[in-house]
Amino acid sequence: QITLKESGPTLVKPTQTLTLTCTFSGFSLTTSGVGVGWIRQPPGKALEWLALIYWDDDKRYSPSLKSRLTLTKDTSKNQVVLTMTNMDPVDTATYYCAHNSYSTTWDRFDYWGQGTLVTVSS
Amino acid sequence: EIVLTQSPGTLSLSPGERATLSCRASQSINSNYLAWYQQTPGQAPRLLIYGASSRATGIPDRFSGSGSGTDFTLTISRLEPEDFAVYYCQPYAASPFGGGTKVEIK
Repeated sequence: QITLKESGPTLVKPTQTLTLTCTFSGFSLTTSGVGVGWIRQPPGKALEWLALIYWDDDKRYSPSLKSRLTLTKDTSKNQVVLTMTNMDPVDTATYYCAHNSYSTTWDRFDYWGQGTLVTVSS
Repeated sequence: EIVLTQSPGTLSLSPGERATLSCRASQSINSNYLAWYQQTPGQAPRLLIYGASSRATGIPDRFSGSGSGTDFTLTISRLEPEDFAVYYCQPYAASPFGGGTKVEIK
């Protein structure tokens, strides 16, 4: 049974750095074809893909946010950490992490965390 | 970067009706990787369709996906009350989502 859960601050101030942790179970991030992604959703708006880290430590970032994002993984703790610098009120959103399974015939987010709402305000 | 345009933005239908949702890409994409997600209010998204036409585990067969190249379609053959939600397409995992189509009760 695959589960993921996001954790981190619910409130950050403008210009601060946000650190979110995705803690997962039921899979290993050392298994070929597995990744963990981050997706966010501002209140009332659409999903926005942020970043994805693969089993081989390959990392992909949204081009528009690349300069502000960093992904790391700790396979011993089954965790993936996303940091986003220079937070702004427009970054207020629910942040989701999701399990990615990738092969030559599919590439999908098939399990999602419940999401965590992060508000950026002074 | 691929841009996905979903249409219509909102679809107003009654239970039992057929829903046809469109996802158009700015460039040709590998249909093996096109996915559709469903999101109901207050919930995380759920994978519906992957590889453009394969249903994810537990997804009822009233949901079907089709298309190739730049044009993809999600069809819900007969809307059930739990199907009223927002639907997103994504060409592959490390890429933007479409803007979504909201299917609402008429």
